[in-house]
Amino acid sequence: NAGVTQTPKFRVLKTGQSMTLLCAQDMNHEYMYWYRQDPGMGLRLIHYSVGEGTTAKGEVPDGYNVSRLKKQNFLLGLESAAPSQTSVYFCASSQPSGGNKNIQYFGAGTRLSVL
Amino acid sequence: AQTVTQSQPEMSVQEAETVTLSCTYDTSESDYYLFWYKQPPSRQMILVIRQEAYKQQNATENRFSVNFQKAAKSFSLKISDSQLGDAAMYFCAYRSAYSGNTPLVFGKGTRLSVIA
Repeated sequence: NAGVTQTPKFRVLKTGQSMTLLCAQDMNHEYMYWYRQDPGMGLRLIHYSVGEGTTAKGEVPDGYNVSRLKKQNFLLGLESAAPSQTSVYFCASSQPSGGNKNIQYFGAGTRLSVL
Repeated sequence: AQTVTQSQPEMSVQEAETVTLSCTYDTSESDYYLFWYKQPPSRQMILVIRQEAYKQQNATENRFSVNFQKAAKSFSLKISDSQLGDAAMYFCAYRSAYSGNTPLVFGKGTRLSVIA
C-alpha cells in the first residue's frame, strides 16, 4: 500500500540546471498538490491539479511548472534552478468525495539543494 | 485570504504529562475544516486529528484531542500522557469547505520536545 510516492528523495543542482520531481499516487485520487517547506515558513502551495490534464497556480508558483498527463502522476519542473528554490518539496493528494474527502495524504518529501 | 497562526515556535513537555499546542485562524467563512499534522524527523506528514467546523463536539483520537472555539477562531491540540514518539513538528492547517479542491493553509509549526 504505497500511497503517495515522491522521487527522488534528495537532489543537488547547480544554478541554472533543470530537473523534474515526480509524484505518483495509487489511491485513484482526483486532486494533487505540490508544496514547498522552508524553515520557519510552514508549507506553502506551489501548484495543484483537480484532475487529469488540469493545473492551477498556488501561492508561490514562480519558477515552477507542472503537468498532470496521467491521473496518478503529478510532475513538478524547475526549468532553471535558483538558490532560492532550495527547499523540501511535498506532494499530496486527496479525493473530492467519500468519507476521507477532506484529508490530504502526503509523500515523504524531496530535499532539493541548489548551489 | 485565510491565515493560520501558531504562536508557539517551540514547546516542551515531560514524558507522561499533558501539553497543549495553540492555533488561531482568520477566516470570513462559516464552513471549513481544521487539521493537525505531525511531522517527525523522518519528514513524513502524518494526520493527527481533524475537526469539521459545523460540528460542535471536539474531535478526539486516543491521546489527542482538540479544543475548538469557533467564535474565537481557536483550535488547540492537547496531547495527554506524552510519549517520546510524540516529539515532532506540529502543523495546524485550515481548509475551506466551499470548494472540493481548495488546498490546505498551514501555520508555521510548533516544535514539540518530549523530555524523558
